[in-house]
Amino acid sequence: LAKTTQPISMDSYEGQEVNITCSHNNIATNDYITWYQQFPSQGPRFIIQGYKTKVTNEVASLFIPADRKSSTLSLPRVSLSDTAVYYCLVGVSTSGTYKYIFGTGTRLKVLA
Amino acid sequence: GAVVSQHPSWVICKSGTSVKIECRSLDFQATTMFWYRQFPKQSLMLMATSNEGSKATYEQGVEKDKFLINHASLTLSTLTVTSAHPEDSSFYICSARDWVSGTGAGANVLTFGAGSRLTVL
Repeated sequence: LAKTTQPISMDSYEGQEVNITCSHNNIATNDYITWYQQFPSQGPRFIIQGYKTKVTNEVASLFIPADRKSSTLSLPRVSLSDTAVYYCLVGVSTSGTYKYIFGTGTRLKVLA
Repeated sequence: GAVVSQHPSWVICKSGTSVKIECRSLDFQATTMFWYRQFPKQSLMLMATSNEGSKATYEQGVEKDKFLINHASLTLSTLTVTSAHPEDSSFYICSARDWVSGTGAGANVLTFGAGSRLTVL
């Protein structure tokens, strides 16, 4: 099964760029990498998805090297409201069924 | 964008009773939905994969007779916690897979419900 590994926690200050790296050594050829944000007592919220190289949207960038065994979520100029848990997620295909196993996630705390 | 509605958002019940949680995809059809549970300060744990019109696939260690999953339509999946006990108190979250058109099987995005907080007294 594909397994993701992330740092357990990170601290940052407002206005800084935050980079969170996720390791997914066993990612399958057709798997995409998706990042989610979760606030307490809420469901995870989609941030960004990518397959390779770089993807950018209005809230984040995602960097994926050629071997795709890791990915880095980049949050530009974080604010206090970005304090949350961030998960990277890859699909796992077993017997033709896709499912999604969460890793520990990274608890980001943004300080004033 | 894709929206998943989950109801109720919180529920308190007495030990021994059953509780049903609904998960609806509002603007797309979901042949597959996933049910997770989450304890405080922990990650989401996959409980089961719900497939429309067929039996759910449960993860190892999850009691299928205790956590009944029904996926009778392309927009609705339900999780029933039967004979609930205090140790079943948790945050239950459903999600549905919304396929990204024009891309491969792996390019899909999970949309999550807001979660249901179950407290069993």
